[in-house]
Amino acid sequence: GAVVSQHPSWVICKSGTSVKIECRSLDFQATTMFWYRQFPKQSLMLMATSNEGSKATYEQGVEKDKFLINHASLTLSTLTVTSAHPEDSSFYICSAREASGGDEQFFGPGTRLTVL
Amino acid sequence: QKEVEQNSGPLSVPEGAIASLNCTYSDRGSQSFFWYRQYSGKSPELIMSIYSNGDKEDGRFTAQLNKASQYVSLLIRDSQPSDSATYLCAVSFAGDGNKLVFGAGTILRVKS
Repeated sequence: GAVVSQHPSWVICKSGTSVKIECRSLDFQATTMFWYRQFPKQSLMLMATSNEGSKATYEQGVEKDKFLINHASLTLSTLTVTSAHPEDSSFYICSAREASGGDEQFFGPGTRLTVL
Repeated sequence: QKEVEQNSGPLSVPEGAIASLNCTYSDRGSQSFFWYRQYSGKSPELIMSIYSNGDKEDGRFTAQLNKASQYVSLLIRDSQPSDSATYLCAVSFAGDGNKLVFGAGTILRVKS
């Protein structure tokens, strides 16, 4: 149980384009999903908290107009990187917390974004 | 500033030995504590969660929590080369939407 999927697993795009990443909880309902970014040899950095049916809460320093988050259902959250630039190249990972569970977060496999 | 501190390592242990990973946290109000394992190029995988003082065992893994000392540890018995990974300590702070704050991780290398 507690499986989270992400799509795509990797993407290469040109500078200036937008990229959408999907995060799905496959076998449970997730009222809260989280989006992280991880640069090489660094730890996870929380970008935003996504609550189903409401606006996402962004961490300090994360541009909400650049990283658009939508959490339209209890099993799906999307992150759209708008007007991507090479410095946005990173490993983007989502996690989900069960609606009826504790504080455990279950992570998706991640999406590796490369912006040329 | 809510902080989670880990020794970056690498911690090297021989196959079959006990690996001991440590973590300290800054906020006494912390409620939930987790250990994640992350292989290179992969996302974190939950290994253990612990919520109350004492030990919690699951197979070869034992998590230990001491809230008075603001200290949580992970013991891996009979370490295997496949245990070689980065181990992330994560703490959930009360009153902050139960977000997780991660330590920088400890690299563990198990030598056969």
